[in-house]
Amino acid sequence: DTGVSQNPRHKITKRGQNVTFRCDPISEHNRLYWYRQTLGQGPEFLTYFQNEAQLEKSRLLSDRFSAERPKGSFSTLEIQRTEQGDSAMYLCASSPRGSPNQNTEAFFGQGTRLTVV
Amino acid sequence: QQQVKQSPQSLIVQKGGISIINCAYENTAFDYFPWYQQFPGKGPALLIAIRPDVSEKKEGRFTISFNKSAKQFSLHIMDSQPGDSATYFCAASKSQGGKLIFGQGTELSVKP
Repeated sequence: DTGVSQNPRHKITKRGQNVTFRCDPISEHNRLYWYRQTLGQGPEFLTYFQNEAQLEKSRLLSDRFSAERPKGSFSTLEIQRTEQGDSAMYLCASSPRGSPNQNTEAFFGQGTRLTVV
Repeated sequence: QQQVKQSPQSLIVQKGGISIINCAYENTAFDYFPWYQQFPGKGPALLIAIRPDVSEKKEGRFTISFNKSAKQFSLHIMDSQPGDSATYFCAASKSQGGKLIFGQGTELSVKP
């Protein structure tokens, strides 16, 4: 296993187009997170899945954003009708589920850099 | 109450010196405090983490100091090396959920 894999690494799109990103988590990690990172800022939480269930969504995730994890393995993040403000690095992370009241390490992928022109 | 504040924004240290980065949080429900290191074009990588039941944790050249009453924690990098030059993020999360709330980041430059 080589870690969390994200594709594509870079995406340039015209304003108004739809884009989809894919994240393959570490095998057997049942938690999967999406974050967005803009230049000079820390990652901001977007949403997370436990297996196939989407358990939390940030207010940052507007109606144009949708995420899925259909079989509890890979996940996709789609942005419809992209805007210039969507330009950012989109990071995926995965972690195994620990025992109650136990946090476990989140492993990040290398991200997909989106540029909307 | 979700905010994590990090300082300084940037830091220049001579090789062999000590780098110190500070963070403060507001939400007392946070109980897991990791530090991540990020190189350009890469995703963040966990460096070291602490829970509030201890005041200090050391791993090699990296030490976290935690002050629960002040709601502050800091990262100390001893014997800083040019290879440590990167952006460092503190973060916090609650036990349940596990989503991380990140600080704004500190760009560290270690001069040879």
